[in-house]
Amino acid sequence: EAAVTQSPRSKVAVTGGKVTLSCHQTNNHDYMYWYRQDTGHGLRLIHYSYVADSTEKGDIPDGYKASRPSQENFSLILELASLSQTAVYFCASSDAGREGQNTLYFGAGTRLSVL
Amino acid sequence: TQTVSQSDAHVTVFEGDSVELRCNYSYGGSIYLSWYIQHHGHGLQFLLKYYSGNPVVQGVNGFEAEFSKSDSSFHLRKASVHWSDSAVYFCAVSASSNNRIFFGDGTQLVVKP
Repeated sequence: EAAVTQSPRSKVAVTGGKVTLSCHQTNNHDYMYWYRQDTGHGLRLIHYSYVADSTEKGDIPDGYKASRPSQENFSLILELASLSQTAVYFCASSDAGREGQNTLYFGAGTRLSVL
Repeated sequence: TQTVSQSDAHVTVFEGDSVELRCNYSYGGSIYLSWYIQHHGHGLQFLLKYYSGNPVVQGVNGFEAEFSKSDSSFHLRKASVHWSDSAVYFCAVSASSNNRIFFGDGTQLVVKP
């Protein structure tokens, strides 16, 4: 069965600190995504990647960087964490092709609290 | 830019009831429409999607959705809900002309025994 694994599952960070969220997929999918979910709201796309060593900006990239060192791994990096980045972060993968045309497979999420 | 609206933030029904979760979108071109389910503490899971053809699409666990171009809607339905259907349901829309998928804010479905 396809699998997307995120680590850590939860994290408390201090304002101004560096945070790295990791995602690993065993789906053999080309596309990977990072979404942010705020309480009571839908998901917003931060960064995505369609091939290793390349990343693209999504709809809300400010304050975030992404890294795709291999097909299986995709990281989200907050260089200077801020209170406004407190949220749940989801990683997803999909087959090659356009994001909207393909089924997304999600990880379980990382709950980040910035204090 | 396409948008998606889920008018009901919360829906409460009893086990065995039928339910309809509403989704409306705005976009003038060809689109892909999907529904995802999120159980508490988990990631989203795909339920079903529509692009063309029969406007009624079947998904897993007895869910179906009907596309209506005239109403700009893609409502999700289930004839008889089970307590395990309690979750948050997200409608998603993507234009065939771009790489973006937009999610609604979700509808929390509570099924009472």
